[in-house]
Amino acid sequence: GENVEQHPSTLSVQEGDSAVIKCTYSDSASNYFPWYKQELGKGPQLIIDIRSNVGEKKDQRIAVTLNKTAKHFSLHITETQPEDSAVYFCAATDLTGGGNKLTFGTGTQLKVEL
Amino acid sequence: EPEVTQTPSHQVTQMGQEVILRCVPISNHLYFYWYRQILGQKVEFLVSFYNNEISEKSEIFDDQFSVERPDGSNFTLKIRSTKLEDSAMYFCASMIGPNSPLHFGNGTRLTVT
Repeated sequence: GENVEQHPSTLSVQEGDSAVIKCTYSDSASNYFPWYKQELGKGPQLIIDIRSNVGEKKDQRIAVTLNKTAKHFSLHITETQPEDSAVYFCAATDLTGGGNKLTFGTGTQLKVEL
Repeated sequence: EPEVTQTPSHQVTQMGQEVILRCVPISNHLYFYWYRQILGQKVEFLVSFYNNEISEKSEIFDDQFSVERPDGSNFTLKIRSTKLEDSAMYFCASMIGPNSPLHFGNGTRLTVT
């Protein structure tokens, strides 16, 4: 089955700086890579996703890149703000069968300091 | 924006007791999921449900677990005889159709004592 590795486990940045979180996956059949933000006491919230037919996707301050050859994908947050502080999870799955059984990474605790 | 809602937010039960965790998926969604997250660990897939039947389940989802869609709005997870190691956050999720994003509820924290 799929295995997703994520690093770093914790990341502390100054407000206004950029943050990068990296993930690798093992199953070459995976073709959908969402990123979730989890705030304390809440469920994972989808913030951006990318499919294997594109290499990069951007939504305001958030961008995701995908390198299918190396089986790497990364989340980039620019101009970080205190409200970006949360746990971020990457995930991967093969959508071919229509389902969305996600394999999650271990999470990154992002702290944006004033 | 429509949400997946879960009740209760926290459930405490004694070992060996049955618990039912309840979820109301987003109203026009057709695919339903349960995931769990043991404290400090990654979110893990338990089961997916479509067209009134289980479409896939993980090795965690053994005979002690069952799911049901008793009516047009609710989706439940039952644990027949809880064990200490069942203590975790349980997340319900739904999606509108195949190849679409998965939306999670805020979870039920299950504590087995």
